[in-house]
Amino acid sequence: ILNVEQSPQSLHVQEGDSTNFTCSFPSSNFYALHWYRWETAKSPEALFVMTLNGDEKKKGRISATLNTKEGYSYLYIKGSQPEDSATYLCAPGEKLTFGTGTRLTIIP
Amino acid sequence: NAGVTQTPKFQVLKTGQSMTLQCAQDMNHEYMSWYRQDPGMGLRLIHYSVGAGITDQGEVPNGYNVSRSTTEDFPLRLLSAAPSQTSVYFCASSYQGRYTEAFFGQGTRLTVV
Repeated sequence: ILNVEQSPQSLHVQEGDSTNFTCSFPSSNFYALHWYRWETAKSPEALFVMTLNGDEKKKGRISATLNTKEGYSYLYIKGSQPEDSATYLCAPGEKLTFGTGTRLTIIP
Repeated sequence: NAGVTQTPKFQVLKTGQSMTLQCAQDMNHEYMSWYRQDPGMGLRLIHYSVGAGITDQGEVPNGYNVSRSTTEDFPLRLLSAAPSQTSVYFCASSYQGRYTEAFFGQGTRLTVV
């Protein structure tokens, strides 16, 4: 079983503030790193799929970086909005196994 | 374009009963997978398939069977339901598995009493 760790487990951020969280994974046998956004009572939706060391991807106010040599990825949200409240999941590895996620709550 | 369709959306089973959760996708994706969602555990991979005729176990396969006779369909069978299988089940598909984004169905909420 792939050891994927996401931190923090939960986070409360004031509207307008920026935030970031981490996905850590074994650096050996790396294939790709997925980030998903999962709103309550909905299905997970893909944000990014990253494959190369040093990759940086951006979608609106959300961006992600990847370090495959040390085994971590950061997700950044700039200027948080209430609609950013969700659980953010990462999934490295061959079989798309997920970490337990970071639950983000934006405080208006 | 329907995407990934799961049926049923809700189901209540008695302990020991069997049933099949259906999953179909119309995107011609090779890779399909089943997950269960449990509080504090996130999404755990049950079984996955890299193409028609090929299936493999994920993190929590016990008590579940799968088959992949067509590219479109990937049913999940509960052989003898147990209360521990009470969960929300998600099916997902992607074009190339690990290298392309996965699309999820709307989930099936299963309660075993």
